[in-house]
Parts: sequence; structure tokens; C-alpha cells
Amino acid sequence: DGGITQSPKYLFRKEGQNVTLSCEQNLNHDAMYWYRQDPGQGLRLIYYSQIVNDFQKGDIAEGYSVSREKKESFPLTVTSAQKNPTAFYLCASTPPPGEVGQPQHFGDGTRLSIL
Amino acid sequence: AQKITQTQPGMFVQEKEAVTLDCTYDTSDPSYGLFWYKQPSSGEMIFLIYQGSYDQQNATEGRYSLNFQKARKSANLVISASQLGDSAMYFCAMRGSTGANNLFFGTGTRLTVIP
Repeated sequence: DGGITQSPKYLFRKEGQNVTLSCEQNLNHDAMYWYRQDPGQGLRLIYYSQIVNDFQKGDIAEGYSVSREKKESFPLTVTSAQKNPTAFYLCASTPPPGEVGQPQHFGDGTRLSIL
Repeated sequence: AQKITQTQPGMFVQEKEAVTLDCTYDTSDPSYGLFWYKQPSSGEMIFLIYQGSYDQQNATEGRYSLNFQKARKSANLVISASQLGDSAMYFCAMRGSTGANNLFFGTGTRLTVIP
């Protein structure tokens, strides 16, 4: 079955440590997105990529970095510069742009906590 | 700028009854799409229904229907014959016709279905 796989499901970070969240999709989608969700809040865009080797900052990119070396993969690194990283992180993808009606497909999320 | 407003932090509904979840939006894009997602306690985002800004008829998907009032900029979700499994967070989201094709989310409504 096609879908988006995020790993790990739970992640713990020590102070001053970088951690990387994995996102893999086998839907052959061009565009991929990373969102952050805080308790009681909606999702906010961190980074997005519409094509391999290209990515753009979203609304809350500070303290995060991404890469897009393969179409299937869009890992997110939470750096030590992100002072409040505890949140639920969701990865999403969409088919090539052209129709605003294409829904985003989401992974199951990674819950990141600070030790 | 795109903005989504969900004014109901929590809603309760009796099993088998219908419930309406409110969503208002603001955008300057001439063409846009409105989406509703369900987020159970497990965290995944489940796409429910889509309404395009130029669609003449309100969207329906099984027990879900979207009450779209373009002049009022509202896109309320109606769930008919509520089931216990409908208890979850519900998010309204919008995508414009320009830019990154990412979704702008509201803060969500927590629906609780009472037996």
C-alpha cells in the first residue's frame, strides 16, 4: 500500500543535541511538507519542498533544517538552536501542483520531547 | 494572507444525532480549496472532504457534508448520524491557488460523541 512513513514514533532529545526525523513516501508525490503541531493548536508549516534538491522555508523554519536528495525522502533535523522543540511533527505530501483540490496525505507523526 | 478560524474549541453530540462544526476563512486568492481533516487521539490526519471555491454544489462524502457559503466565507462541516468513533479533533484547512500549495489550518474543534 502506498503511503507516508514517519519514524520514529517517539523521540527524545537532550539539551544541545540535534535530532533527525525521518519521512519517506512511496506515493510518487513531488511535493513534501513538514508541519509542527503544539497542544491545542493547528498545524504550522516548517519547511516544504516541491521538487528534488529544492526546498523553501515555511512560517516557523528557525531552528530546523531539511534536505531533499531523493523524491521519496524529506528528513527534518531539529537543531539545538530550536529552543522549544517539544511538539508533534507531521510530514505530508501532495501530487504535482495544478489542482487546489488535491488533498495532502499525512504520515502518522513523530512526537518529540526534551529530556 | 490566508486565515482559518474555528471558534468552537469543543463540541458534544449525542450518538446518532447530527452536528455542525464551524469554519470561517479569509483569503485574497481568487481560487482556493477548503479541506476538513479528522485527527484521532493516535495523531494521524485523516482527510474527510474537499470543497473548491468554484464548485456550485456543496460537497458530500458519506456521512460528511460541507455547508459552503462563499459570500459569508464559511465552510462548516456537518456530520450526520454521529458514531462513537467520530470522537476526535477536527481541523478545517485552506489551500490557495498560488504559492507553496501548503495548507493553512485552523486551531481545531474537539468533538465528543456521547453514548
